[in-house]
Amino acid sequence: GAVVSQHPSWVICKSGTSVKIECRSLDFQATTMFWYRQFPKQSLMLMATSNEGSKATYEQGVEKDKFLINHASLTLSTLTVTSAHPEDSSFYICSASGAGYQELFFGEGSRLTVL
Amino acid sequence: GQQLNQSPQSMFIQEGEDVSMNCTSSSIFNTWLWYKQDPGEGPVLLIALYKAGELTSNGRLTAQFGITRKDSFLNISASIPSDVGIYFCAGQLASGYALNFGKGTSLLVTP
Repeated sequence: GAVVSQHPSWVICKSGTSVKIECRSLDFQATTMFWYRQFPKQSLMLMATSNEGSKATYEQGVEKDKFLINHASLTLSTLTVTSAHPEDSSFYICSASGAGYQELFFGEGSRLTVL
Repeated sequence: GQQLNQSPQSMFIQEGEDVSMNCTSSSIFNTWLWYKQDPGEGPVLLIALYKAGELTSNGRLTAQFGITRKDSFLNISASIPSDVGIYFCAGQLASGYALNFGKGTSLLVTP
């Protein structure tokens, strides 16, 4: 299957700083990427959907100005958590959809800890 | 998106036992999927179901896509310690759409 890679796999930051998480499709062109957030012992909750070259569509309750998503190329999407606070600490997971593939491919996840 | 109803929430079984978990939805999905997630990692696809009524196996795993398109189950036969993890069901409206996940079933297997 196709490979999706996230970086960094974990990050610790101080409250008030911004953190960028990258999601790359390594061997296919990802026309659509999805960002999920997973709190401990909970399920994956969709945050936003991004299509290459257009603005992301955010789920209800997700602040678009706090969670900036950029999908500037067919192989890269970034999620920037701006002015992070401890309650933003979570496991962030991306998945990608590409032409010719029926299934979605998930990244390894990025654990964010905000002190 | 809606969160699917998945049960049981957790299971604690002995090695060799069979396991069954299921997922229901208030709305129709055209694809049902089952994932396993290990701590600190992304979910890994176990089985994908694309047709109502479909019964698919992957080794010791068997899953079915309910004929109403609103439910699915996953069976694991002869469980082994490496089956430990959290299992998630997911429904998808159509190819390219986001997945709606269940709440997960935590499986513990004792030797």
